[in-house]
Amino acid sequence: DAKTTQPPSMDCAEGRAANLPCNHSTISGNEYVYWYRQIHSQGPQYIIHGLKNNETNEMASLIITEDRKSSTLILPHATLRDTAVYYCIVKTSYDKVIFGPGTSLSVIP
Amino acid sequence: KAGVTQTPRYLIKTRGQQVTLSCSPISGHRSVSWYQQTPGQGLQFLFEYFSETQRNKGNFPGRFSGRQFSNSRSEMNVSTLELGDSALYLCASSFRDGGDGYTFGSGTRLTVV
Repeated sequence: DAKTTQPPSMDCAEGRAANLPCNHSTISGNEYVYWYRQIHSQGPQYIIHGLKNNETNEMASLIITEDRKSSTLILPHATLRDTAVYYCIVKTSYDKVIFGPGTSLSVIP
Repeated sequence: KAGVTQTPRYLIKTRGQQVTLSCSPISGHRSVSWYQQTPGQGLQFLFEYFSETQRNKGNFPGRFSGRQFSNSRSEMNVSTLELGDSALYLCASSFRDGGDGYTFGSGTRLTVV
């Protein structure tokens, strides 16, 4: 079973920041937080991952709380092309990837 | 560089037949994972191979099998197809253990009639 809880759906206005939350209250010390997204009919796409520090790359920022029990993926300026299902995954380096139902993000013009 | 290549893209098979799907990982990637995606069950993990050895396995019946070759290319096989096997089958590769994220292919859409 997935070790994370995400809201089933969210809306975001185009050009605004999209903040996608994820709860992982049972995360253990050697587990990372990963984010993937899947645009309709395509394979999932890796976005970002982190252990305990906040991370940023060209696609997004990942904010992990100090107790590591939750995190937020931030898309700074959402576009229509960011409409997708976003998956938050917790795993160690060698674990298999278990996808939950994710959050369906709709970017509204 | 070339991405993860899955062939064929689409496939129609009859109940009871068997099918083999192919996945070519990104050059240099040694780990290959397979997933089944259906509208009802979402993305489900099938198995993962690393250096020709199965490293992880999901909860699928023995009709689902896979293998990995010395060049890291992988195949999965489904025998005695059932209507419920109709799905998008996705392959993902990573350099070693997925620690830096997996790269997914576009999938093979299997329809069992």
